[in-house]
Amino acid sequence: DSGVTQTPKHLITATGQRVTLRCSPRSGDLSVYWYQQSLDQGLQFLIQYYNGEERAKGNILERFSAQQFPDLHSELNLSSLELGDSALYFCASSLGLAGASSYNEQFFGPGTRLTVL
Amino acid sequence: AQTVTQSQPEMSVQEAETVTLSCTYDTSESDYYLFWYKQPPSRQMILVIRQEAYKQQNATENRFSVNFQKAAKSFSLKISDSQLGDAAMYFCAYRSARRGRDDKIIFGKGTRLHILP
Repeated sequence: DSGVTQTPKHLITATGQRVTLRCSPRSGDLSVYWYQQSLDQGLQFLIQYYNGEERAKGNILERFSAQQFPDLHSELNLSSLELGDSALYFCASSLGLAGASSYNEQFFGPGTRLTVL
Repeated sequence: AQTVTQSQPEMSVQEAETVTLSCTYDTSESDYYLFWYKQPPSRQMILVIRQEAYKQQNATENRFSVNFQKAAKSFSLKISDSQLGDAAMYFCAYRSARRGRDDKIIFGKGTRLHILP
């Protein structure tokens, strides 16, 4: 158990719908990262938040958005869902930022499996 | 941009034997981390081993060791005494270690390892 929790574990929805994925980082971790694992794109970075502020953006679609709340949990919002959005969405957390400490390991949650029908 | 390439989509090894998974990467940075992650059928992302680019000594974790060739940008994983529990997808991954850079993890496409009893 990494200490990172993600809800729900599974989500089945229809095209055109909107869903929210939730992530609670490990206690004390300030950084939250979202990754998408799909069959065609593999594992790719979506977005990072650090202490409530957006820190880095990857290949995140405009239909997707995220935020990190004052209690440091994060939500990933996916809207106008398409079949191709079906994937496993991972959240990871770390203590700080690259270079700010000796290593700063990212700990991965168990993922949310999203199926768009 | 940094890239990670795993050229072996699938591999098989006899139980108790040794297997080596290959990985090459491309970067213009001099300070970075390299990782091997294991993803068993449960889909959990498990960090197997980490290598700091500034360290010449190859990292070792029990039955897992790496061959890090910085000049050749090669980073292979050797699994000794393979066990049935080693069956999983293995991802090679890269992360910048430079302060101020985003610390997203860049993953290869993965190698699925089968252990034959």
